[in-house]
Amino acid sequence: AQSVTQPDIHITVSEGASLELRCNYSYGATPYLFWYVQSPGQGLQLLLKYFSGDTLVQGIKGFEAEFKRSQSSFNLRKPSVHWSDAAEYFCAVVPRTNAGKSTFGDGTTLTVKP
Amino acid sequence: DAGVTQSPTHLIKTRGQQVTLRCSPKSGHDTVSWYQQALGQGPQFIFQYYEEEERQRGNFPDRFSGHQFPNYSSELNVNALLLGDSALYLCASSLVRGEGLNTEAFFGQGTRLTVV
Repeated sequence: AQSVTQPDIHITVSEGASLELRCNYSYGATPYLFWYVQSPGQGLQLLLKYFSGDTLVQGIKGFEAEFKRSQSSFNLRKPSVHWSDAAEYFCAVVPRTNAGKSTFGDGTTLTVKP
Repeated sequence: DAGVTQSPTHLIKTRGQQVTLRCSPKSGHDTVSWYQQALGQGPQFIFQYYEEEERQRGNFPDRFSGHQFPNYSSELNVNALLLGDSALYLCASSLVRGEGLNTEAFFGQGTRLTVV
């Protein structure tokens, strides 16, 4: 069965500092990989996705993520965090044969200090 | 394109009651998946509908049922509501292409269900 682990439940960074959110997955083959952001009381907004090809993918709001097959990881990064980035971030594994059946991690809550 | 739309946005029900949530998929999509997101957790897959039939199901009891209409819209029904059913319910739509491959799924903004 597929699973996603986000080891950091809560991360606090200062505004302007760099950010890395970790995501490890377990899956029998190479899945699609997604990162979503969710503000309180809101739905999911897609930040970026990996389907195939270049293992470094760029997303919206200055985020990027790197797929490392050997480590089964898909970590999210941002070089300089803004106060508006405070939210909850979810990593998801998606089977290539069924994009509607995503498996999500439990999320990482990001707090940004002024 | 309106994207995936869900209704209602918020709902309060009493224990033991029944509830119906609705989802209209993104234009051109034919598959609808439903997720439950409890507070502090990631979304959990409930089930998926394609060609008006339940295609896959997650680990949820039979109190959770659904339907898909010919226009691809979908309903999620929950019977005998429990306090633990309080959650954000998300709908996602996608399109089945050939050879069983799906396009990327798009999520709606969700319905917040509170059971009291």
